[in-house]
Amino acid sequence: AQTVTQSQPEMSVQEAETVTLSCTYDTSESNYYLFWYKQPPSRQMILVIRQEAYKQQNATENRFSVNFQKAAKSFSLKISDSQLGDTAMYFCAFIYGGATNKLIFGTGTLLAVQP
Amino acid sequence: GAGVSQSPRYKVAKRGQDVALRCDPISGHVSLFWYQQALGQGPEFLTYFQNEAQLDKSGLPSDRFFAERPEGSVSTLKIQRTQQEDSAVYLCASSRNWDRDGYTFGSGTRLTVV
Repeated sequence: AQTVTQSQPEMSVQEAETVTLSCTYDTSESNYYLFWYKQPPSRQMILVIRQEAYKQQNATENRFSVNFQKAAKSFSLKISDSQLGDTAMYFCAFIYGGATNKLIFGTGTLLAVQP
Repeated sequence: GAGVSQSPRYKVAKRGQDVALRCDPISGHVSLFWYQQALGQGPEFLTYFQNEAQLDKSGLPSDRFFAERPEGSVSTLKIQRTQQEDSAVYLCASSRNWDRDGYTFGSGTRLTVV
């Protein structure tokens, strides 16, 4: 079974500081995709960053970067220079392909950025 | 449209009532997914369409749940004889090429069964 685990239900960070959200996953597949989604109170899932498993280089998107450790099945998200607008639920998710290409989500981490 | 549109945004149903939730995906998006998100949890897969074909309905929790996409665009998720455990946010997502563009989600419908 494919599973995604986020062990931090809640995190808090001061504005302008750096925070890292953890994610581990379990799969027997060799090729897959990993994602971090942000869900603000508006409920819409917004793609933050994505990583293809076959790429060794860690993905970056402006203030967001990942630390992808394939052997350890770990995919953490680092947010630099945290902003008040980063306050949201963050979900780690995974697609391994197959007929459906469905996203499998973790349980989420609620991030609060404090002024 | 510019994004994935879901309606209604909120729905309160009495236990035993039937409900219908609508998803209007981005024009041209072939793939369409429905997810159920319980309070404080991550979204759980319900069903998947490729155009009008429902290719995977393995996540539907019971035979009270039914989804359709008859013309390959708008989709409807129907829940018959609603129960309190059906209370959740129902999210719809669509994509043209998921491995290049990812999925675009709607803002969901929050269903409360009383």
